[in-house]
Amino acid sequence: KQEVTQIPAALSVPEGENLVLNCSFTDSAIYNLQWFRQDPGKGLTSLLLIQSSQREQTSGRLNASLDKSSGRSTLYIAASQPGDSATYLCAVMGRGSTLGRLYFGRGTQLTVWP
Amino acid sequence: NAGVTQTPKFQVLKTGQSMTLQCAQDMNHEYMSWYRQDPGMGLRLIHYSVGAGITDQGEVPNGYNVSRSTTEDFPLRLLSAAPSQTSVYFCASRTGRSYEQYFGPGTRLTVT
Repeated sequence: KQEVTQIPAALSVPEGENLVLNCSFTDSAIYNLQWFRQDPGKGLTSLLLIQSSQREQTSGRLNASLDKSSGRSTLYIAASQPGDSATYLCAVMGRGSTLGRLYFGRGTQLTVWP
Repeated sequence: NAGVTQTPKFQVLKTGQSMTLQCAQDMNHEYMSWYRQDPGMGLRLIHYSVGAGITDQGEVPNGYNVSRSTTEDFPLRLLSAAPSQTSVYFCASRTGRSYEQYFGPGTRLTVT
């Protein structure tokens, strides 16, 4: 069964820092990997989607990389801002009989203070 | 587009009561699914559907029932609510090309 782990569980940084959130998964046979943001009491907002054939995706200050063979992904946030404070979730989609199913990590709770 | 919508936002039930959580999407997505989110755990798949008339079980299906009569709607029924079903429930749909998933705002359910 696919297991997804996110490290660290929580992170507190001053505004302006560049930071890296880590995600690892046990089964490299994935279809894609998706990073989400979740604000307290809210739903999930998709940030970046990386297909299994891709190495990275960028959107504004966010950059996500994927190393499928080692079962790892990183989310890089440049020049962090207080508005980036949220929980960041990593999810992988399986292949074959599990195509379409997402397996989630427990998330990294990020606090960016002014 | 409204995207994925869920009702109600909040619900309190007594043990043994039944109810239906509503989910609708206006993006013409074939694939829809239900997840639950519990403190300290990742989201877990309850049921999913690959199209109208087709549903299947996910990781934690016990105590829940689904049906898919239209492409737009995918309701989740709690047959006899139990305190262990206290959770936040999210409905999601995905595109047929990139398989990117879109989530609704969630329903926070408390069973007393």
